[in-house]
Amino acid sequence: NAGVTQTPKFQVLKTGQSMTLQCAQDMNHNSMYWYRQDPGMGLRLIYYSASEGTTDKGEVPNGYNVSRLNKREFSLRLESAAPSQTSVYFCASSETSISGELFFGEGSRLTVL
Amino acid sequence: QKEVEQDPGPLSVPEGAIVSLNCTYSNSAFQYFMWYRQYSRKGPELLMYTYSSGNKEDGRFTAQVDKSSKYISLFIRDSQPSDSATYLCAMSRPQAGTALIFGKGTTLSVSS
Repeated sequence: NAGVTQTPKFQVLKTGQSMTLQCAQDMNHNSMYWYRQDPGMGLRLIYYSASEGTTDKGEVPNGYNVSRLNKREFSLRLESAAPSQTSVYFCASSETSISGELFFGEGSRLTVL
Repeated sequence: QKEVEQDPGPLSVPEGAIVSLNCTYSNSAFQYFMWYRQYSRKGPELLMYTYSSGNKEDGRFTAQVDKSSKYISLFIRDSQPSDSATYLCAMSRPQAGTALIFGKGTTLSVSS
C-alpha cells in the first residue's frame, strides 16, 4: 500500500524552464492538495481539488497550474520556473475536504537556479 | 494577523521531560484541530485529531482545545529522542471545499 506517491523526488531547473510534479494516491480519496514548505514559512497551500473535476486556488497559486487527471492523480505544473519557486513540494490527499485528515507524500525537492 | 500562529522554537529538552506545544488562532469558525509530526526530510503525518473543544489522549500524547481562548496545545509526556521532529498544528472549518490551515511548526529536539 503506497499511499501518496510523488515524482520526481529531486529536480534542478534553470530559470524559465517548465516542469510538472506528479502525484498519485491509492486510497480512493476524493480530495487532493499541493503544498509548498519553505523555512520559516510553514506549509502553504498552492492549489487543491476537493473532488474529481474541481480545482481551487489556495494561498499561493501564482506561477502554478494544476490538473486533476482522474480520482487518483493530481499534477502541479510550473510553466516558467523562477528562483522564488525553490521549495519542497508536498502532495496530500484526504477522504473528504471537510475533516482535514490529510495523508502526505514524501515531498519533491525543487531547486531553480 | 495570520489565521494560525505557532512559535517555531527550536525547543530542546532532556529525555523524560514533559513537552508543551501551542498554537493560537483567530478564526472562530475552526472546528477541526490537528497535530502533525514531521521528521526531517519526510512528509507530515497525522498525530492527533480533535473535533471542537476538549481533550484527547493517545499514549504519551494529549491534545487540548480551548475554543473560548482560541488556543490549542499538545503535551508529550516522558519525551523520547524519537520524538525529535517538527510538530505542526492545523485546523479547518466544517465546510466542504475548504482546506487545512497550518501553523509554521515547532522544531523539538529531545536529548538522551
